[in-house]
Amino acid sequence: GAVVSQHPSRVICKSGTSVKIECRSLDFQATTMFWYRQFPKQSLMLMATSNEGSKATYEQGVEKDKFLINHASLTLSTLTVTSAHPEDSSFYICSASSRTSGGVTDTQYFGPGTRLTVL
Amino acid sequence: KQEVTQIPAALSVPEGENLVLNCSFTDSAIYNLQWFRQDPGKGLTSLLLIQSSQREQTSGRLNASLDKSSGRSTLYIAASQPGDSATYLCAVPDRGSTLGRLYFGRGTQLTVWP
Repeated sequence: GAVVSQHPSRVICKSGTSVKIECRSLDFQATTMFWYRQFPKQSLMLMATSNEGSKATYEQGVEKDKFLINHASLTLSTLTVTSAHPEDSSFYICSASSRTSGGVTDTQYFGPGTRLTVL
Repeated sequence: KQEVTQIPAALSVPEGENLVLNCSFTDSAIYNLQWFRQDPGKGLTSLLLIQSSQREQTSGRLNASLDKSSGRSTLYIAASQPGDSATYLCAVPDRGSTLGRLYFGRGTQLTVWP
């Protein structure tokens, strides 16, 4: 199956700093990438959907100015957590999918996740 | 908006047992349902994808069934092994959506001991 990578896999930062997380589709072109957040013992919650070359669509309750998403190419999307605080500590997972010629989204492929710890 | 519930939240069994994990969802107008496996601190591995027109899918010792009308799916694991220990997540897309966003349950944390 297709491979999606994330970098870094783990990051620890001080409160108030910004952290950038990369999500790459390694062997296919991802028309759409999704960013999820998972708190301990909780389900994955969608934060935003990004389509290549357009602005991301954020879920209700997710601050777009705090979680900056850039999907500049068909193989790369980045999530920047600006002015991170301890409550932003979580597991961030991206997924990527491509759209078939019939318009139906193909299977989503998930990255390995990034563990963010804000001190 | 979908609400996905998984029961039980946790399960601990001896090796060799056959297991049933349950998933329910509130809106039956779905195109498909997926079961994933998540190991601690790791991403997701897709196990089975059932299309709305199908009633079940099988992969090795795993069998997933889907009853769309009642909003339920079941993941059956035969002859469980310690290597099956992980969290199992079920996910469904938006009503009538082909856009790919998924709603996840909280998962069933499975421990299989030797």
